[in-house]
Amino acid sequence: GQNIDQPTEMTATEGAIVQINCTYQTSGFNGLFWYQQHAGEAPTFLSYNVLDGLEEKGRFSSFLSRSKGYSYLLLKELQMKDSASYLCAVRDTGGFKTIFGAGTRLFVKA
Amino acid sequence: DAGVTQSPTHLIKTRGQHVTLRCSPISGHKSVSWYQQVLGQGPQFIFQYYEKEERGRGNFPDRFSARQFPNYSSELNVNALLLGDSALYLCASSLETGTSRGYTFGSGTRLTVV
Repeated sequence: GQNIDQPTEMTATEGAIVQINCTYQTSGFNGLFWYQQHAGEAPTFLSYNVLDGLEEKGRFSSFLSRSKGYSYLLLKELQMKDSASYLCAVRDTGGFKTIFGAGTRLFVKA
Repeated sequence: DAGVTQSPTHLIKTRGQHVTLRCSPISGHKSVSWYQQVLGQGPQFIFQYYEKEERGRGNFPDRFSARQFPNYSSELNVNALLLGDSALYLCASSLETGTSRGYTFGSGTRLTVV
């Protein structure tokens, strides 16, 4: 079967750092994505990992360990506008199916 | 350059009816995927089309079907609507199937079945 787990909700303070974890069990693997989705809007692409290690892009970084079926998204210098849902998604081996987790709702407080 | 466009934006249908949702991908993008998103959940994969052929199908009943046209636009059809089909239907466009750039999503069609 295929399963992607993320915490349901997290709260953090403006200016702080937050780490959103994702564990996955899928029949195949051809990359892991993180998307941001503000309430009432479509998801937007944040990051992509296919090899183990850390990918950094501005205030956002994403890490992958394929042997552990584990990824995290790290958000630094949190801003109020970062309040959103963060979706972890895994693409299967053939590249024809990308499965999403239920998402983590992040609340950033002043 | 236009993004991914979906129509209609909102739709109300009665149980048992049929619905057609439309998507135009970003110019040059050959892959279109359809997702269903229920409030509070992540998007659920329905179909992926690439070069006008179905390349992937999620765990949805046969009431759901789709197709991709020569200009790479796509339609999602749902027959015999059920109350549980009420959701946001998202179209996702990508240049190819194995891209590292992720999907670009349209704003979605909000379907309400009454």
